[in-house]
Amino acid sequence: EPEVTQTPSHQVTQMGQEVILRCVPISNHLYFYWYRQILGQKVEFLVSFYNNEISEKSEIFDDQFSVERPDGSNFTLKIRSTKLEDSAMYFCASRREEETQYFGPGTRLLVL
Amino acid sequence: GDSVTQMEGPVTLSEEAFLTINCTYTATGYPSLFWYVQYPGEGLQLLLKATKADDKGSNKGFEATYRKETTSFHLEKGSVQVSDSAVYFCALKRDPGNTGKLIFGQGTTLQVKP
Repeated sequence: EPEVTQTPSHQVTQMGQEVILRCVPISNHLYFYWYRQILGQKVEFLVSFYNNEISEKSEIFDDQFSVERPDGSNFTLKIRSTKLEDSAMYFCASRREEETQYFGPGTRLLVL
Repeated sequence: GDSVTQMEGPVTLSEEAFLTINCTYTATGYPSLFWYVQYPGEGLQLLLKATKADDKGSNKGFEATYRKETTSFHLEKGSVQVSDSAVYFCALKRDPGNTGKLIFGQGTTLQVKP
């Protein structure tokens, strides 16, 4: 069964460093998402991406964040200068036209 | 704005006990409602969904009914198993035409003891 994959599973970085989180959505999906979950808090929407552009972004998704689909298979989330409060589990999701979003296993990011 | 509220966890039950996890929502329009489950070390998996009032979603013995009058979508299972131990997330998606983003509740941890 096709699934969304994410790499790395864990990432530790120093404050101020850039990180890139990678996702491979299911191959025939058209809509892509990033969510995050700070420990003990809700899963929060960050950004949605369709037709090679951002379709919606949350207040969290400020200028430090960017997304890209560089090669038609990967979908990346970049944080330019990480802050302590960026420490969270980051989930990628994708879907076709119908509603069900399929999630990856997540990347746990720890900013020191 | 739109929001989802779930009962606080953890919920600890013995095997074969009845499960209810409460979920209520606030949303404009007619959202679709979902329950996702996260097993240890895995991603979020869709458990069931309902797209309009009075719909009942069901899967793997779990059920939830979309109650517009009480803005609720409570998750139930008649007899839980140890393998049901996981974190359960209630979520909503607003009307069609929206970008499809999901708004989640805070998650409820279920622990089932043998």
